[in-house]
Amino acid sequence: RKEVEQDPGPFNVPEGATVAFNCTYSNSASQSFFWYRQDCRKEPKLLMSVYSSGNEDGRFTAQLNRASQYISLLIRDSKLSDSATYLCVVNQGYGQNFVFGPGTRLSVLP
Amino acid sequence: DGGITQSPKYLFRKEGQNVTLSCEQNLNHDAMYWYRQDPGQGLRLIYYSQIVNDFQKGDIAEGYSVSREKKESFPLTVTSAQKNPTAFYLCASSPGTVAHTEAFFGQGTRLTVV
Repeated sequence: RKEVEQDPGPFNVPEGATVAFNCTYSNSASQSFFWYRQDCRKEPKLLMSVYSSGNEDGRFTAQLNRASQYISLLIRDSKLSDSATYLCVVNQGYGQNFVFGPGTRLSVLP
Repeated sequence: DGGITQSPKYLFRKEGQNVTLSCEQNLNHDAMYWYRQDPGQGLRLIYYSQIVNDFQKGDIAEGYSVSREKKESFPLTVTSAQKNPTAFYLCASSPGTVAHTEAFFGQGTRLTVV
């Protein structure tokens, strides 16, 4: 089993739609959780960190369920500019590395 | 401006040659990482370093080598032993000792074997 797994995608949605991405991780000792966005042929960039209480940043909402080892990302009112690959990232804590999921590609269609 | 600089952006290598990819950061971060990304796939860890003069192998270290002689620099050498080196290489850094801080990435080096 891979350490971090994500919905395989791709997701093709119309503008204005709401889309949800799911991610599961296998290491229960994981401490930090993130969603990154990667545009084609570019480096990943942080979209948002994910906290235990859940957090929201504009149209984006992230949730963490430690008991189920599950992370989600909800995008409301999708824009064309949201088209990208979304990477779920987990870190086991101090002195550990970042483990990336395979990514889920989103295409928002006009 | 603070950030991570990778060079070159594009690199072509003949089979059998070693090449070195540069990664420099001025963020005063302790931890640095090298990842490899193949088309349509996620990032795989090659090597990482939490402190100067120390580094650990990642999941796919075979055929690669690194050094960490200075805090701000973490060069990656792709040796001739790496059987399939054509890929997108990404360097990242993080504070390393602070909880819940993210990794910051350079713009990447696209290596092609010709």
